[in-house]
This record gives sequence, C-alpha cells and structure tokens, in this order.
Amino acid sequence: GQQVMQIPQYQHVQEGEDFTTYCNSSTTLSNIQWYKQRPGGHPVFLIQLVKSGEVKKQKRLTFQFGEAKKNSSLHITATQTTDVGTYFCAGQDTSGSRLTFGEGTQLTVNP
Amino acid sequence: EAQVTQNPRYLITVTGKKLTVTCSQNMNHEYMSWYRQDPGLGLRQIYYSMNVEVTDKGDVPEGYKVSRKEKRNFPLILESPSPNQTSLYFCASSFRASNPAFFGQGTRLTVV
Repeated sequence: GQQVMQIPQYQHVQEGEDFTTYCNSSTTLSNIQWYKQRPGGHPVFLIQLVKSGEVKKQKRLTFQFGEAKKNSSLHITATQTTDVGTYFCAGQDTSGSRLTFGEGTQLTVNP
Repeated sequence: EAQVTQNPRYLITVTGKKLTVTCSQNMNHEYMSWYRQDPGLGLRQIYYSMNVEVTDKGDVPEGYKVSRKEKRNFPLILESPSPNQTSLYFCASSFRASNPAFFGQGTRLTVV
C-alpha cells in the first residue's frame, strides 16, 4: 500500500533559525496536505497542494510539491515559539479515497 | 460552530470490555475517518467512510468496527479491547476524501 515518509522525526532550533521538514511518498499522489498539531491538541489543516511543482506561501511558511508529485516540503523562515508543534504531511492517493499521513516532525523552538 | 465532536475525551477500561467512542460532525460532510496516533508512528487510518452505509478498512483495522447509519455520526467500536489498543484516537471529517479534514479533539484510551 501507499507509504508516506517524513523526516526528520524531531527538530530543535533556536528562535529565529529556519526549519524544514520533508515528505516522500512511495507512489504518485493526487494532492498533498499539511497539518499542524500543537502539544496536547488535534491536527489542524494548514494547506493543500495539488499541482506538480506547486509552491505556496503563508507568511513565514513555504510549501512545495515536487514535479513528480511524490514529495513535498514545508519550510519555516525565522522560527518563533508559536511555531512549536508537530507538522504532518498527508498524501492522497490517485483513487481519491485514502489520505495517508507521514510520521510527523516534532518542532521545538528555544527562545 | 462547525465542529467534530468526540466522546469521551478520556477513557480507562479493562481488557475485553466492549466500548464505543462516538464521533459526530455538524458540517454535512460525506467523508469521515478514524485514526490512531502513537509516538513515532504518526496518524494511522483505522477505518473510513465515503458516505452513509459505505465503510472501508484503513491501514490498521484489526480489532475495530465502525458503522455509518447517519451522515453525521461515525462511531468506533472496540468489541474486545486489548492493551495494544491503548492510544490517542482522532475522528476526522471532510466534504470529500480530497478535501481538507477537520479533526475532533481526540480520545485518549487506556486499556489495562
């Protein structure tokens, strides 16, 4: 079945440093979604990428979808303590029925 | 307020005692799913439902049952819980499978 792998599992940064998490799928995806889960909370949708090579920005967050639609990345510029949490990618298979989550990257930011 | 509501939020039970975790959404979503979250394993899909009376297995369905008799409700049933089902469970819903998912607050289940 479809597998979605995410690295790194953990990332510790100083406030102001940049952060990137990478997501790779074993199969071609129809779209990829990104979610953020604050400590003790539930996953909250951030963004969806659909087109090959697509790049979207949300303030300090930049999301990319690979040309082959099998990988994606989330980059945060100049991290802040409010960025703390676990970031998940979730890939949709081409049948459109399944959403498979990566293992998540847990980000901690030291002030 | 648009939301996905799970109950209970916390549950401690004993091995073999049947339990049900309820999930209800008020957004008229067709697609609903259950996930379990374990450290280092991310969110793994247990079951999903594309519409009323249509359910299918996810990645880790063993030991679980679901039903979708109404559009808004998607209960998760553990007929005979075992300690390896101790986990954090999330229900999620979306208009279609391809649309962004809204998650419930989570149910932390401990089976002793």
